[in-house]
Amino acid sequence: QQQVKQSPQSLIVQKGGISIINCAYENTAFDYFPWYQQFPGKGPALLIAIRPDVSEKKEGRFTISFNKSAKQFSLHIMDSQPGDSATYFCAARERGSSNTGKLIFGQGTTLQVKP
Amino acid sequence: DTAVSQTPKYLVTQMGNDKSIKCEQNLGHDTMYWYKQDSKKFLKIMFSYNNKELIINETVPNRFSPKSPDKAHLNLHINSLELGDSAVYFCASSLRGRSTDTQYFGPGTRLTVL
Repeated sequence: QQQVKQSPQSLIVQKGGISIINCAYENTAFDYFPWYQQFPGKGPALLIAIRPDVSEKKEGRFTISFNKSAKQFSLHIMDSQPGDSATYFCAARERGSSNTGKLIFGQGTTLQVKP
Repeated sequence: DTAVSQTPKYLVTQMGNDKSIKCEQNLGHDTMYWYKQDSKKFLKIMFSYNNKELIINETVPNRFSPKSPDKAHLNLHINSLELGDSAVYFCASSLRGRSTDTQYFGPGTRLTVL
């Protein structure tokens, strides 16, 4: 059972365009939603994150939009650049009684930005 | 100035062998994790240790045994390797208790079981 569903699986965008990646979740106990960026041969790295009490967070060209009622959140990459070509993962943190801070990842989206 | 390091980077071995992967972090974090990334790039938590105490233990075959000698190290030992164990294994660390709990990942160990 996939608790965090991510789409699309792959995305091709022209340089300067907007890349949009969507995620949906079911568990209302999730309390923190990070996005990770992974380049080939490297480990994932935190890109941007949001908490559910905020509807939008922007850092440079990267924006997270969060819809708590719909249990959906998305990553927007404005003015996409070839250097943004990577795999992007949304994730959600599970805040259970053990307070483990466990992260559950979406399936990943491979983004290719064409020059 | 590597924050989270793993050794080895590549590991090729035969079925049935036993192997270990080592992880070290110099960030002063108190929590460390092992993740498995399969061929479809799906990332799944396997284990987590906080101050050398096991706090996450997902449904992983008991052939996998993590060991944390101290807060800065988390090793993964795998017995009787199987073809399905082929994957990239990532170590990560974080400082527990922070509201954001950012996890910092190592470069990964690509394990190939022949």
